[in-house]
Amino acid sequence: SQQGEEDPQALSIQEGENATMNCSYKTSINNLQWYRQNSGRGLVHLILIRSNEREKHSGRLRVTLDTSKKSSSLLITASRAADTASYFCGLAGGTSYGKLTFGQGTILTVHP
Amino acid sequence: GAGVSQSPSNKVTEKGKDVELRCDPISGHTALYWYRQSLGQGLEFLIYFQGNSAPDKSGLPSDRFSAERTGGSVSTLTIQRTQQEDSAVYLCASSSGTGVYYGYTFGSGTRLTVV
Repeated sequence: SQQGEEDPQALSIQEGENATMNCSYKTSINNLQWYRQNSGRGLVHLILIRSNEREKHSGRLRVTLDTSKKSSSLLITASRAADTASYFCGLAGGTSYGKLTFGQGTILTVHP
Repeated sequence: GAGVSQSPSNKVTEKGKDVELRCDPISGHTALYWYRQSLGQGLEFLIYFQGNSAPDKSGLPSDRFSAERTGGSVSTLTIQRTQQEDSAVYLCASSSGTGVYYGYTFGSGTRLTVV
């Protein structure tokens, strides 16, 4: 079944810098969702972007979706040490009907 | 409840024993999902429930794994004759309606260690 691929696998930046991570996929989707995971425990839903949307904002987060390239990016602006976490994209639709499928995630480390 | 509750939070068991993992979803959430995450890996889908029925159980790794949901609420994931490769964090999530259109609320997970 469909699975997103996040890139890069790991990202290390300084506080105040922007962080960009990407998610690519293979088949059509209904929507794409980004989640954050701290310390290997539960995931927290950040933002959902539908297939007919190109960009969404939520606070310091900006998500873009390019369905022609089958890719999405998550931008965190003015990062903080508290943003240190793993970030996952979840794909809805296509061959994964009824559930989200997740990739391996991007590990973000923000140094104070 | 206010959030998705999973119990126990940690479980250490001996190889060959059976374990039960419990998930209490948010009240009123009709959809419930189980995922597994091995150390440093992504989330592996196991099964999802809509009400008490499981339209998709394609992710269950073997017949040692089973899950049920009763009263459209609590769900139990049972692993029989545990093996060391079953060691992982088991995550439960719930959502209103069909979660793929609205997003999931995850519990904090059960960390299972098979020794």
